[in-house]
This record gives sequence, structure tokens and C-alpha cells, in this order.
Amino acid sequence: GAVVSQHPSWVICKSGTSVKIECRSLDFQATTMFWYRQFPKQSLMLMATSNEGSKATYEQGVEKDKFLINHASLTLSTLTVTSAHPEDSSFYICSARGGWGSSGNTIYFGEGSWLTVV
Amino acid sequence: GENVEQHPSTLSVQEGDSAVIKCTYSDSASNYFPWYKQELGKGPQLIIDIRSNVGEKKDQRIAVTLNKTAKHFSLHITETQPEDSAVYFCAASRRSYKLIFGSGTRLLVRP
Repeated sequence: GAVVSQHPSWVICKSGTSVKIECRSLDFQATTMFWYRQFPKQSLMLMATSNEGSKATYEQGVEKDKFLINHASLTLSTLTVTSAHPEDSSFYICSARGGWGSSGNTIYFGEGSWLTVV
Repeated sequence: GENVEQHPSTLSVQEGDSAVIKCTYSDSASNYFPWYKQELGKGPQLIIDIRSNVGEKKDQRIAVTLNKTAKHFSLHITETQPEDSAVYFCAASRRSYKLIFGSGTRLLVRP
């Protein structure tokens, strides 16, 4: 199946600094990418939807100035957590939707990125 | 708004038995229903999906059924194995729209 690569898989940063997470679709062009946050033993919480070349659409309650999303190409989206605080520590997962044929609705997930803010 | 309910939240079965997880969706315009398996510390992995023009789909030991009238769909795993132990999520979406996830089912397959 399609592959979505996420990097880094884990990162530790100091409080007040910013950290960037990359999400790449390796073998298909992703017209849309999604960013999720997941707390332990809970379901995935959609943070934002990004379409290539346009501004991301954020879900209610998600601070767009804190979680900067860029989708500069059809294979790359980035999430930057700005001025990180310990409460931002979480598992962040991206997903990508391919835009080809009848499988255009299929969404594949990356392996996730563990963020720990100390 | 759109909602997907998933049951049960936990499921324990003996190796070799079948496991069934059920989901109900609220948005009648939903036409795509994927199932994901998530192992501890990893991202969700697509295991099977079904579109609204199909009532059933099977892939080896895994099958999904869809009842559009009742707005529910189910995941069936036969001949379960210990490596099937994971959290399973159902989801629903309209075409080119975001996925709405269920709350997840923690499946434990006892050897």
C-alpha cells in the first residue's frame, strides 16, 4: 500500500522552543494531508486539514498560531509546534489522501511522532 | 455534527475464535468506511475499507460489512491470532472530506 513517512519519530525539546515535524507521501501525490494528536488510550483528534498550496483549516479549539502547518508540495506537509510547553507533549500523527482514480478517498497514516517537552 | 460510535471498547477472545467490532455513523452522506489497526506507539495502519456501493468486502481473515439503511458497519476477524491484538478504529467520511473516527476497540487475543 501507499507509504507515508513521518520524521522525526520522537523528539525531546526544551520548553519555549519550537519543533518541526515532517510528513511525506513517498509513492503518491497527496492532495490533502491531515494532522492529528492522540492522547494515551484515546482516539485520534483531528487538529487541521491542509491542502497543497493553500492555508490549513484548523479544527475548533486548535490554536493556529501555535501549531503552524505548511503544505508546500504534493508530497510534504510540516507541523511546527511553536513555543512548546509540557502540555504540548503528545503523539502527533499525520495522514495523507491520494488523489488518484477510484482510490482517491483512501487515507494513509504516518508512523507518528512522539513529542516530549521538558 | 457527524459522529461515529464504536463498540465494544474492549474485546478479549481466545486464539482461533472470531472477533466482531461494530460502528454506527450519523452522517447519511458518508460513503467511505475504513478500518485501522494501531499497535502500541505506532501510527494507524489501514487494514480494510469499504465504499457505500458495496455491502461486504473480504480480505483473507478480515471482512467488513456495511448496512447503509441502518448506518452501521462491522469488522469481522476470523481465526484470530495473538498478533491481531491491537487497538482497532473505524472511521467514516464523505468523499474528499475528513475522517470521523470511532473511539477505538482494544482487542486482546489470548493464546
